[in-house]
Amino acid sequence: SQQGEEDPQALSIQEGENATMNCSYKTSINNLQWYRQNSGRGLVHLILIRSNEREKHSGRLRVTLDTSKKSSSLLITASRAADTASYFCAFDSWGKLQFGAGTQVVVTP
Amino acid sequence: GAVVSQHPSWVICKSGTSVKIECRSLDFQATTMFWYRQFPKQSLMLMATSNEGSKATYEQGVEKDKFLINHASLTLSTLTVTSAHPEDSSFYICSAPPPTPRYETQYFGPGTRLLVL
Repeated sequence: SQQGEEDPQALSIQEGENATMNCSYKTSINNLQWYRQNSGRGLVHLILIRSNEREKHSGRLRVTLDTSKKSSSLLITASRAADTASYFCAFDSWGKLQFGAGTQVVVTP
Repeated sequence: GAVVSQHPSWVICKSGTSVKIECRSLDFQATTMFWYRQFPKQSLMLMATSNEGSKATYEQGVEKDKFLINHASLTLSTLTVTSAHPEDSSFYICSAPPPTPRYETQYFGPGTRLLVL
């Protein structure tokens, strides 16, 4: 499959808890990006990590990248109800973005 | 920041008709644009790469005669779904990479929802 794999497929947590999702890919990459998509809406870019980086932070987001294992993780700390959305990883292989299957996150108040 | 627009935002059409979707880069030139399709509760699937002034390159399994792509200018790419059928109903999204630096974040359009009756 040209797509990456993500797990879990779905995640249900309470406000204040952390949410972790993982992504794996098969090809060599220039960078890996994470996006959020609210139901039926467009994509919102969250964070980009380059292939020579191992960890990156942005606000409540923490991304790791392990190129030897071809995997990445996204951690959302202190989740809020507004974080409810689908999250996709996308790996950039020479300008072409291939998306993971996505993780549907539901944060309940 | 750079903005990519799509028009229309949604369209309903009868089976057998053709539908054209436009993707515009509003404040930068894009020699390359990408078209994705997303079925409900699924991920985005890259359909094709639109190249200004040359033929589009299609991903495996995407029918080039069914999904016509024209990248006539540095700010406009169009996707025409020809002889649309209900199974073509989907969310179509375009994206464009910024001119520099390369291989960084792409700018995504807001998407076009197509419903074929």
